[in-house]
Amino acid sequence: EVQLVESGGGLVQPGGSLRLSCTASGYLFSSYWMSWVRQAPGKGLEWVATIKQDGSTKDYLHSVEGRFSILRDNAKNTIYLYMSSLSADDTAVYYCARDMQEGLTDYWGQGTLVTVSS
Amino acid sequence: DIQMTQSPPSLSAVLGDRVTITCQASQDIIDFLSWYQQRPGKPPQLLIYDASTLETGVPSRFSGGGSGTNFTFTISSLQSEDIATYYCLQYDKFPRTFGQGTKVEIK
Repeated sequence: EVQLVESGGGLVQPGGSLRLSCTASGYLFSSYWMSWVRQAPGKGLEWVATIKQDGSTKDYLHSVEGRFSILRDNAKNTIYLYMSSLSADDTAVYYCARDMQEGLTDYWGQGTLVTVSS
Repeated sequence: DIQMTQSPPSLSAVLGDRVTITCQASQDIIDFLSWYQQRPGKPPQLLIYDASTLETGVPSRFSGGGSGTNFTFTISSLQSEDIATYYCLQYDKFPRTFGQGTKVEIK
């Protein structure tokens, strides 16, 4: 069974930084693209970032480019999202997601809430 | 960026009704479109990909169609467990973009 477990969310002040983690199990992690998708409270879904199987290719939403960084550690079956210069607009549930092919997400974690507030 | 216009934003239907949601892309995305169901408080679940392919284990009352810029998602006979918000997603070009969502309720 595919499982994706996020951690690292919480309350952070505007301008602050946070690192999210997602550990995968139940499948061969190194064979799949992985992504982060977020959902602001009461709003729709917004893709944030994607990383290729070997980490050589990364893509970002325009509004987070330069502030967020996606990385992966295939030895630990884990991806990370490093977030900096956070603002209230970044407040959301952040979902870790597996891509069955480039761009197409088939499994999602339960999400971790990031709240940016003073 | 490719814009995805999804309609209606919400709908109310009777159990057993046929329900149809549409998504229009701002440019040709061939058939690189998927549909997700999100029940309240839960993560999304993949239902349809490549515009019309049913994900394994998804009930056959769900179906998708279309190509190019116009796509449809249909529930042939609405069940109580289908109460959720549905999203389309284009994955032809980065950045991937979702439709605004359609909230389906029981009348």
